[in-house]
Amino acid sequence: ELKVEQNPLFLSMQEGKNYTIYCNYSTTSDRLYWYRQDPGKSLESLFVLLSNGAVKQEGRLMASLDTKARLSTLHITAAVHDLSATYFCAVDSASGTASKLTFGTGTRLQVTL
Amino acid sequence: KAGVTQTPRYLIKTRGQQVTLSCSPISGHRSVSWYQQTPGQGLQFLFEYFSETQRNKGNFPGRFSGRQFSNSRSEMNVSTLELGDSALYLCASSLVSGTGRYSPLHFGNGTRLTVT
Repeated sequence: ELKVEQNPLFLSMQEGKNYTIYCNYSTTSDRLYWYRQDPGKSLESLFVLLSNGAVKQEGRLMASLDTKARLSTLHITAAVHDLSATYFCAVDSASGTASKLTFGTGTRLQVTL
Repeated sequence: KAGVTQTPRYLIKTRGQQVTLSCSPISGHRSVSWYQQTPGQGLQFLFEYFSETQRNKGNFPGRFSGRQFSNSRSEMNVSTLELGDSALYLCASSLVSGTGRYSPLHFGNGTRLTVT
């Protein structure tokens, strides 16, 4: 059974600081997603990582994937308050065009002034 | 382009009743998935449909069922409701192309079900 572990579960950081969220998973997969969820809202897609060594960047967020280590990271650069949200990684264990995501527990990010 | 639409937004039901939730995917998306989100268990996969066929199913009891129609719209049904079924139910649609899956799942706003 695929297990996806995220850490930390909660992250309080000051504006302007850098930090990394880690996502470890237990079985081979080359499809990993990062989502953001604001309180009371739905999930917003941030990144799709499809191959070993993939790196995607959008604004102050950068995600990478190491399929050999079964590890993805979400790096936050110079955090701003607007980034406060819960971030989930999700690993797709289905094959071909099917989909079956296993989500991590989420990292609740709080950016303080 | 309209996003994933889920109805109703909120539902309150009593134990033992049944409930049907509806999901309209983004136009052109033929894959529809359902997820349950609770504070204790997090986000859990329920099932995925493509072209009216269920392709994957999560570890939920048979009380949870779903279907997809020819226009890709999907419904999820939960029978004999239990208190533990209280959750946010999220529907997601995805564009499937070629032999792979290269696009993310796009989630709706969810249906919040409360079982009393």
